[in-house]
Amino acid sequence: EAQVTQNPRYLITVTGKKLTVTCSQNMNHEYMSWYRQDPGLGLRQIYYSMNVEVTDKGDVPEGYKVSRKEKRNFPLILESPSPNQTSLYFCASRSGVRNQPQHFGDGTRLSIL
Amino acid sequence: AQTVTQSQPEMSVQEAETVTLSCTYDTSESDYYLFWYKQPPSRQMILVIRQEAYKQQNATENRFSVNFQKAAKSFSLKISDSQLGDAAMYFCASYSNFGNEKLTFGTGTRLTIIP
Repeated sequence: EAQVTQNPRYLITVTGKKLTVTCSQNMNHEYMSWYRQDPGLGLRQIYYSMNVEVTDKGDVPEGYKVSRKEKRNFPLILESPSPNQTSLYFCASRSGVRNQPQHFGDGTRLSIL
Repeated sequence: AQTVTQSQPEMSVQEAETVTLSCTYDTSESDYYLFWYKQPPSRQMILVIRQEAYKQQNATENRFSVNFQKAAKSFSLKISDSQLGDAAMYFCASYSNFGNEKLTFGTGTRLTIIP
C-alpha cells in the first residue's frame, strides 16, 4: 500500500531535549515536504526536498533541521525544542511527474513543555 | 507569493442538503493548481478534489464539485447531498509548478452536518 509513514504519532517532551520525527515514503517520490498546522493559520511549509541531498527552507524553518540522505526518508529534527514548536506536523511526498498531488502522512502531535 | 483566503471559519448544513465553501486566492503564476483537502477528526489530510488552472471545465468528484472562476480568483467547493461523514475541517490550497514545492493553505472551514 502506498503510504507516507510518520513516527511518532504523539510526543510530549520538555524544552531543549533534542527530538527527531521520522518520515518515510514507499512510493519512490522525488519531492518531500514538512508542514506544521496551527489553529487559525492552516498548514505552513517548514522545509522541502526535491531529491536526495537537495533541501531548502520553506516559510517557517527557524528551529528546525532536515536531511535527505535516502530518497525514501526525510526526518525533521528539532535540536532544541521550545514551547512555540508545539504543533501538529505533517510530512508529504509527491512524484516528480507533473500534475501529481502530494500524499500526506497521518500527522505527529508534538507538545513541548 | 501565493495567498489563499477562506473567509468562513465555520459552516453548518442539514444532512442531505447542499453546502458551498468559499475560497479566494492570489497568485502571479500562470501555471498553478488548486485543491480542496478534508481533515476529519482523525487529523488525516485527504484530497477531495483538484483543479488545474489551465482547464476551464470545473472539476467534479461524485458529490463534490468546484466553481472555478479564474478571473475572480475564486475556487469554491460544493458538497451535494451532505452526509454525516462529511463533517470535517476543509482546507483550500494552491500550488505552483514553478515554486518551491509548496502547497499554500487557507485557514480552513469547519463543516458541521446537522442530522
